[in-house]
Amino acid sequence: DTAVSQTPKYLVTQMGNDKSIKCEQNLGHDTMYWYKQDSKKFLKIMFSYNNKELIINETVPNRFSPKSPDKAHLNLHINSLELGDSAVYFCASSQERGGVYEQYFGPGTRLTVT
Amino acid sequence: AQSVTQLGSHVSVSEGALVLLRCNYSSSVPPYLFWYVQYPNQGLQLLLKYTTGATLVKGINGFEAEFKKSETSFHLTKPSAHMSDAAEYFCAVSEPGGFKTIFGAGTRLFVKA
Repeated sequence: DTAVSQTPKYLVTQMGNDKSIKCEQNLGHDTMYWYKQDSKKFLKIMFSYNNKELIINETVPNRFSPKSPDKAHLNLHINSLELGDSAVYFCASSQERGGVYEQYFGPGTRLTVT
Repeated sequence: AQSVTQLGSHVSVSEGALVLLRCNYSSSVPPYLFWYVQYPNQGLQLLLKYTTGATLVKGINGFEAEFKKSETSFHLTKPSAHMSDAAEYFCAVSEPGGFKTIFGAGTRLFVKA
Protein backbone atom coordinates (compact mmCIF):
# COMPACT_ATOMS: atom_id res chain seq x y z
CA ASP A 1 0.00 0.00 0.00
CA THR A 2 1.23 3.46 -0.90
CA ALA A 3 1.97 5.51 2.22
CA VAL A 4 1.95 9.02 0.72
CA SER A 5 0.38 9.43 -2.69
CA GLN A 6 0.11 12.44 -4.98
CA THR A 7 -1.94 13.12 -8.07
CA PRO A 8 -1.19 13.87 -10.77
CA LYS A 9 2.37 12.65 -11.27
CA TYR A 10 2.90 14.96 -14.23
CA LEU A 11 1.18 18.25 -14.95
CA VAL A 12 1.79 20.34 -18.05
CA THR A 13 -0.10 23.59 -18.35
CA GLN A 14 0.10 27.08 -19.75
CA MET A 15 0.92 30.32 -18.02
CA GLY A 16 -2.05 31.94 -16.37
CA ASN A 17 -3.93 28.72 -15.70
CA ASP A 18 -5.06 27.50 -12.27
CA LYS A 19 -4.19 23.97 -11.17
CA SER A 20 -4.38 21.72 -8.11
CA ILE A 21 -2.23 18.91 -6.78
CA LYS A 22 -3.69 16.42 -4.35
CA CYS A 23 -1.93 14.53 -1.58
CA GLU A 24 -3.15 11.72 0.65
CA GLN A 25 -1.40 9.76 3.38
CA ASN A 26 -2.59 6.51 4.96
CA LEU A 27 -0.03 6.47 7.78
CA GLY A 28 -2.26 8.12 10.36
CA HIS A 29 0.18 11.02 10.71
CA ASP A 30 -0.86 14.35 12.18
CA THR A 31 1.49 16.57 10.17
CA MET A 32 1.71 17.12 6.42
CA TYR A 33 3.97 19.29 4.27
CA TRP A 34 4.42 20.70 0.79
CA TYR A 35 7.93 21.12 -0.60
CA LYS A 36 9.16 22.58 -3.89
CA GLN A 37 12.24 21.07 -5.54
CA ASP A 38 13.81 23.18 -8.26
CA SER A 39 15.88 22.06 -11.22
CA LYS A 40 19.05 22.08 -9.09
CA LYS A 41 17.42 19.66 -6.65
CA PHE A 42 17.17 22.30 -3.91
CA LEU A 43 14.31 21.38 -1.59
CA LYS A 44 12.36 24.21 -0.02
CA ILE A 45 9.49 23.88 2.43
CA MET A 46 6.35 25.79 1.48
CA PHE A 47 3.63 24.86 3.96
CA SER A 48 2.89 22.52 6.82
CA TYR A 49 -0.33 21.54 8.54
CA ASN A 50 -0.70 19.83 11.91
CA ASN A 51 -4.13 18.40 12.67
CA LYS A 52 -5.58 20.52 9.85
CA GLU A 53 -4.06 23.71 11.28
CA LEU A 54 -1.52 25.72 9.28
CA ILE A 55 1.75 25.81 11.25
CA ILE A 56 4.37 26.66 8.64
CA ASN A 57 3.82 29.22 5.93
CA GLU A 58 7.09 30.17 4.29
CA THR A 59 7.59 33.10 2.00
CA VAL A 60 5.45 31.79 -0.82
CA PRO A 61 3.44 33.89 -3.31
CA ASN A 62 -0.19 34.07 -2.28
CA ARG A 63 -1.06 32.45 -5.61
CA PHE A 64 -0.29 29.23 -3.73
CA SER A 65 -3.02 28.11 -1.35
CA PRO A 66 -2.93 24.90 0.65
CA LYS A 67 -6.09 23.22 1.89
CA SER A 68 -6.38 20.42 4.41
CA PRO A 69 -9.91 18.98 4.46
CA ASP A 70 -8.84 16.36 7.01
CA LYS A 71 -5.66 14.99 8.60
CA ALA A 72 -5.06 12.55 5.77
CA HIS A 73 -5.23 15.07 2.94
CA LEU A 74 -3.32 18.19 2.00
CA ASN A 75 -3.99 19.75 -1.38
CA LEU A 76 -2.14 22.56 -3.11
CA HIS A 77 -3.92 25.00 -5.40
CA ILE A 78 -1.95 27.34 -7.61
CA ASN A 79 -3.52 30.34 -9.32
CA SER A 80 -2.22 32.23 -12.34
CA LEU A 81 0.66 29.87 -13.00
CA GLU A 82 4.01 31.38 -14.00
CA LEU A 83 7.04 29.91 -15.76
CA GLY A 84 8.98 30.02 -12.48
CA ASP A 85 6.48 27.67 -10.87
CA SER A 86 7.88 24.82 -12.95
CA ALA A 87 9.37 22.36 -10.46
CA VAL A 88 8.73 19.08 -8.72
CA TYR A 89 6.35 19.42 -5.79
CA PHE A 90 6.59 16.90 -2.97
CA CYS A 91 4.07 16.15 -0.31
CA ALA A 92 5.28 14.63 2.95
CA SER A 93 3.82 13.53 6.25
CA SER A 94 5.27 12.92 9.69
CA GLN A 95 4.34 11.96 13.20
CA GLU A 96 6.10 13.14 16.34
CA ARG A 97 7.90 10.33 18.15
CA GLY A 98 10.19 11.29 21.00
CA GLY A 99 10.46 14.84 19.68
CA VAL A 100 11.45 13.68 16.21
CA TYR A 101 9.43 14.38 13.08
CA GLU A 102 10.66 11.77 10.62
CA GLN A 103 9.20 12.58 7.23
CA TYR A 104 7.70 10.28 4.63
CA PHE A 105 7.63 11.68 1.11
CA GLY A 106 5.29 11.15 -1.78
CA PRO A 107 6.59 10.39 -5.29
CA GLY A 108 6.34 14.01 -6.43
CA THR A 109 4.37 15.94 -9.03
CA ARG A 110 6.39 17.37 -11.90
CA LEU A 111 4.78 20.66 -12.91
CA THR A 112 5.77 22.19 -16.23
CA VAL A 113 4.44 25.62 -17.12
CA THR A 114 4.76 26.64 -20.76
CA ALA B 1 18.42 29.59 13.04
CA GLN B 2 19.50 26.29 11.63
CA SER B 3 21.35 25.54 8.42
CA VAL B 4 23.01 22.68 6.61
CA THR B 5 25.97 22.71 4.25
CA GLN B 6 26.80 19.74 2.08
CA LEU B 7 30.33 19.86 0.72
CA GLY B 8 30.42 18.81 -2.90
CA SER B 9 27.40 18.86 -5.15
CA HIS B 10 28.76 15.79 -6.97
CA VAL B 11 30.80 12.85 -5.70
CA SER B 12 32.04 10.05 -7.93
CA VAL B 13 33.39 6.73 -6.64
CA SER B 14 34.21 3.37 -8.13
CA GLU B 15 32.12 0.35 -7.30
CA GLY B 16 33.52 -1.23 -4.14
CA ALA B 17 35.18 1.99 -2.97
CA LEU B 18 34.44 3.93 0.20
CA VAL B 19 31.59 6.42 0.02
CA LEU B 20 32.00 9.62 2.04
CA LEU B 21 29.43 12.41 1.79
CA ARG B 22 30.10 15.46 3.92
CA CYS B 23 27.60 17.46 5.92
CA ASN B 24 28.09 20.32 8.35
CA TYR B 25 25.32 21.93 10.29
CA SER B 26 24.63 25.05 12.28
CA SER B 27 22.18 25.03 15.17
CA SER B 28 21.66 27.06 18.34
CA VAL B 29 20.17 24.04 20.11
CA PRO B 30 21.18 20.38 20.16
CA PRO B 31 20.18 19.26 16.69
CA TYR B 32 18.39 16.29 15.31
CA LEU B 33 20.17 15.22 12.11
CA PHE B 34 19.02 13.15 9.17
CA TRP B 35 20.23 11.73 5.88
CA TYR B 36 17.67 11.15 3.16
CA VAL B 37 18.20 9.51 -0.25
CA GLN B 38 16.37 10.32 -3.46
CA TYR B 39 16.52 7.87 -6.34
CA PRO B 40 15.75 9.20 -9.84
CA ASN B 41 12.14 10.25 -10.27
CA GLN B 42 11.22 9.29 -6.73
CA GLY B 43 10.53 10.99 -3.43
CA LEU B 44 12.99 11.15 -0.56
CA GLN B 45 13.33 8.30 1.90
CA LEU B 46 15.05 8.28 5.26
CA LEU B 47 18.46 6.58 5.42
CA LEU B 48 19.24 7.26 9.08
CA LYS B 49 18.80 9.76 11.87
CA TYR B 50 20.60 11.01 14.96
CA THR B 51 18.65 12.32 17.93
CA THR B 52 20.49 11.61 21.17
CA GLY B 53 22.72 8.89 22.56
CA ALA B 54 25.21 6.95 20.46
CA THR B 55 26.93 9.26 18.03
CA LEU B 56 27.51 6.57 15.40
CA VAL B 57 24.20 5.69 13.81
CA LYS B 58 23.54 2.93 11.33
CA GLY B 59 20.97 3.14 8.59
CA ILE B 60 19.60 1.14 5.75
CA ASN B 61 21.63 -0.28 2.85
CA GLY B 62 24.86 -0.37 4.84
CA PHE B 63 25.15 3.38 5.40
CA GLU B 64 26.21 4.96 8.66
CA ALA B 65 26.93 8.45 9.94
CA GLU B 66 28.75 9.89 12.89
CA PHE B 67 27.64 12.95 14.84
CA LYS B 68 30.63 15.05 15.84
CA LYS B 69 29.56 17.99 17.95
CA SER B 70 33.03 19.55 18.10
CA GLU B 71 33.18 19.63 14.31
CA THR B 72 29.45 20.32 13.80
CA SER B 73 29.49 17.50 11.28
CA PHE B 74 27.37 14.51 10.36
CA HIS B 75 29.17 12.80 7.49
CA LEU B 76 27.65 9.80 5.74
CA THR B 77 29.77 6.77 4.90
CA LYS B 78 29.50 3.35 3.36
CA PRO B 79 32.49 1.00 3.22
CA SER B 80 31.81 -0.37 -0.26
CA ALA B 81 29.79 1.39 -2.93
CA HIS B 82 27.31 -0.48 -5.07
CA MET B 83 25.91 0.64 -8.41
CA SER B 84 22.47 0.84 -6.81
CA ASP B 85 23.74 3.56 -4.43
CA ALA B 86 23.79 6.10 -7.26
CA ALA B 87 21.30 8.75 -6.16
CA GLU B 88 20.92 12.21 -4.62
CA TYR B 89 21.64 12.41 -0.91
CA PHE B 90 20.30 15.10 1.40
CA CYS B 91 21.50 15.99 4.86
CA ALA B 92 18.89 17.67 7.07
CA VAL B 93 18.55 19.23 10.52
CA SER B 94 15.68 19.98 12.83
CA GLU B 95 15.15 21.14 16.40
CA PRO B 96 13.90 18.70 19.02
CA GLY B 97 10.13 18.87 18.86
CA GLY B 98 10.29 21.17 15.85
CA PHE B 99 7.99 20.66 12.89
CA LYS B 100 10.41 22.21 10.44
CA THR B 101 13.28 20.33 8.81
CA ILE B 102 15.98 22.22 6.94
CA PHE B 103 17.53 20.36 4.03
CA GLY B 104 20.96 20.78 2.51
CA ALA B 105 21.42 21.38 -1.20
CA GLY B 106 22.05 17.71 -1.88
CA THR B 107 25.00 15.67 -3.14
CA ARG B 108 24.71 13.58 -6.25
CA LEU B 109 26.58 10.27 -5.90
CA PHE B 110 27.86 8.62 -9.06
CA VAL B 111 29.14 5.04 -8.91
CA LYS B 112 31.45 3.87 -11.70
CA ALA B 113 31.72 0.24 -12.73
